[in-house]
Amino acid sequence: GAGVSQSPSNKVTEKGKDVELRCDPISGHTALYWYRQSLGQGLEFLIYFQGNSAPDKSGLPSDRFSAERTGGSVSTLTIQRTQQEDSAVYLCASSARGGLGYGYTFGSGTRLTVV
Amino acid sequence: GQQVMQIPQYQHVQEGEDFTTYCNSSTTLSNIQWYKQRPGGHPVFLIQLVKSGEVKKQKRLTFQFGEAKKNSSLHITATQTTDVGTYFCAPESGTYKYIFGTGTRLKVLA
Repeated sequence: GAGVSQSPSNKVTEKGKDVELRCDPISGHTALYWYRQSLGQGLEFLIYFQGNSAPDKSGLPSDRFSAERTGGSVSTLTIQRTQQEDSAVYLCASSARGGLGYGYTFGSGTRLTVV
Repeated sequence: GQQVMQIPQYQHVQEGEDFTTYCNSSTTLSNIQWYKQRPGGHPVFLIQLVKSGEVKKQKRLTFQFGEAKKNSSLHITATQTTDVGTYFCAPESGTYKYIFGTGTRLKVLA
């Protein structure tokens, strides 16, 4: 596609429920990233996929968070047993060549609210 | 681990004034990127700096990479209301992984 597409754009869920967030990267981009941004804060790195390599999961805050990338394209971030502190905007980004020289292209994000 | 600080955290300027944000790292950086995030929007890539002492310009924006590659700055000349937003530096931390700084939020008063 022309840009990075994320869905849903907004999600309100009850505490304890599981949620899935989807990211559709730019076609041909081999690298895909998930970041989290709390209100008025910076971007917190969560996970990074590069081609067929094992993902870098070093930023996942707990074992309630997981992500997969199927067929080297679409990615799903899953949060199990959501907590109120999980409320944030979840941003997905993709890049060619790992972003070197070109930077990341971000999607518009999914705003997650846990009530 | 790598720590990146951006200063100032907030800056209010009158339209036409200059603005500078600084990014400081505790370790030597291989390269650094800069992004702009408009209010309610998502970060947009501005530029990448790779070489020691590198200076790059984009119209009214000037980006510098320190000689020791431990700091970087973004300077905006004669700010306009369209410059409003948060500016993030993002040093590379591991292969092709960029960690974003704390950001500087710029407000421009007309």
